[in-house]
Amino acid sequence: NAGVTQTPKFQVLKTGQSMTLQCAQDMNHEYMSWYRQDPGMGLRLIHYSVGAGITDQGEVPNGYNVSRSTTEDFPLRLLSAAPSQTSVYFCASRQTGRNSPLHFGNGTRLTVT
Amino acid sequence: AQSVTQPDIHITVSEGASLELRCNYSYGATPYLFWYVQSPGQGLQLLLKYFSGDTLVQGIKGFEAEFKRSQSSFNLRKPSVHWSDAAEYFCAVGASKAAGNKLTFGGGTRVLVKP
Repeated sequence: NAGVTQTPKFQVLKTGQSMTLQCAQDMNHEYMSWYRQDPGMGLRLIHYSVGAGITDQGEVPNGYNVSRSTTEDFPLRLLSAAPSQTSVYFCASRQTGRNSPLHFGNGTRLTVT
Repeated sequence: AQSVTQPDIHITVSEGASLELRCNYSYGATPYLFWYVQSPGQGLQLLLKYFSGDTLVQGIKGFEAEFKRSQSSFNLRKPSVHWSDAAEYFCAVGASKAAGNKLTFGGGTRVLVKP
């Protein structure tokens, strides 16, 4: 079982560059989300999606775009990277049942110089 | 707005000793509470969750947590830690109607295990 797969695992960007963090899940989960993890701040929700074609903003959406064209994929786009976006990014998915836990990917460590 | 506080940033415990990690939450309605563990370089893994019913919840890896509404707490415990329990632990609270959809996480507690 692959679960939630994130690519790449590491990325270094220069300020102003754009890139897409990939997230794919093979569990047919309707709900998918992106979090960023910063020291001492836990995980903060960036964007989430409750199904294909439906996305919404989380706690810290500025500077990030998402789309959900398929159930399996939920890419996160940085349009113009800034040093403040240096972080570890986690994608997570779950079934829509209320008791279903989040399944996390292994993360992408992004450094913006 | 919901919030979660984990007062201890680091805890060092000897192998075989007991462990308790504190979690306090703020939420206006019935909270849905979770504990996750993160090993180095890994994503988060669910240890246990509380939605309703018995306030003492058993999880994986020998962990348990107790929900105390009067204290707005959901502390995690393990009677005897193993070296493999060294990790970072996150408490999280979810909104009642979409528990798990919008989780708010605490800042985490890093557990170090001494031999």
